[in-house]
Amino acid sequence: NAGVTQTPKFRILKIGQSMTLQCTQDMNHNYMYWYRQDPGMGLKLIYYSVGAGITDKGEVPNGYNVSRSTTEDFPLRLELAAPSQTSVYFCASIDRIQGMNTEAFFGQGTRLTVV
Amino acid sequence: QQQVKQSPQSLIVQKGGISIINCAYENTAFDYFPWYQQFPGKGPALLIAIRPDVSEKKEGRFTISFNKSAKQFSLHIMDSQPGDSATYFCAASPAGGSYIPTFGRGTSLIVHP
Repeated sequence: NAGVTQTPKFRILKIGQSMTLQCTQDMNHNYMYWYRQDPGMGLKLIYYSVGAGITDKGEVPNGYNVSRSTTEDFPLRLELAAPSQTSVYFCASIDRIQGMNTEAFFGQGTRLTVV
Repeated sequence: QQQVKQSPQSLIVQKGGISIINCAYENTAFDYFPWYQQFPGKGPALLIAIRPDVSEKKEGRFTISFNKSAKQFSLHIMDSQPGDSATYFCAASPAGGSYIPTFGRGTSLIVHP
């Protein structure tokens, strides 16, 4: 199993540009999440999805958008990039077994710099 | 509003020593308490996890202690090794809703040889 795959690993954007961070999981997990990680601030939730066709905002959604057309894919869209969006972005997925939470599987991350 | 508070922010330990990281939570609906380990340039990966029906879980050199009444849990790393140098995150997930994990701010552990 590949697990959770994120692309690209690194990207430099100019202010005002747009891009899509890709996230794919092959574990058939319904629950998927996008986090951003800033030094000393932990992981902040941007958006999440509980299944195909269902998405909702997290703690820091401004400037981002998501879609979930399939169980496998959960892309994160940045419109009009701003320096405040310089961060490391992680996609994660979770399975629930017999109604119980289990571990989150993370991708390798995308390091984004907006200049 | 920080639902999971983690301390210390950084920790330096000598090889062979004990590393202790603490977390406190507020939401009594949390029912799953994992610890993740993250190496530079990598995503977090599950290290060990506990559910609130037990007070302690041990896997090798790693132990979680859980105090439900105090709403606190901690990670103990026995015989710490330089290879344990990483960032550690505690997390907590609720039993219902969208099961969103909430993470602590992380602890940077350095183990000196």
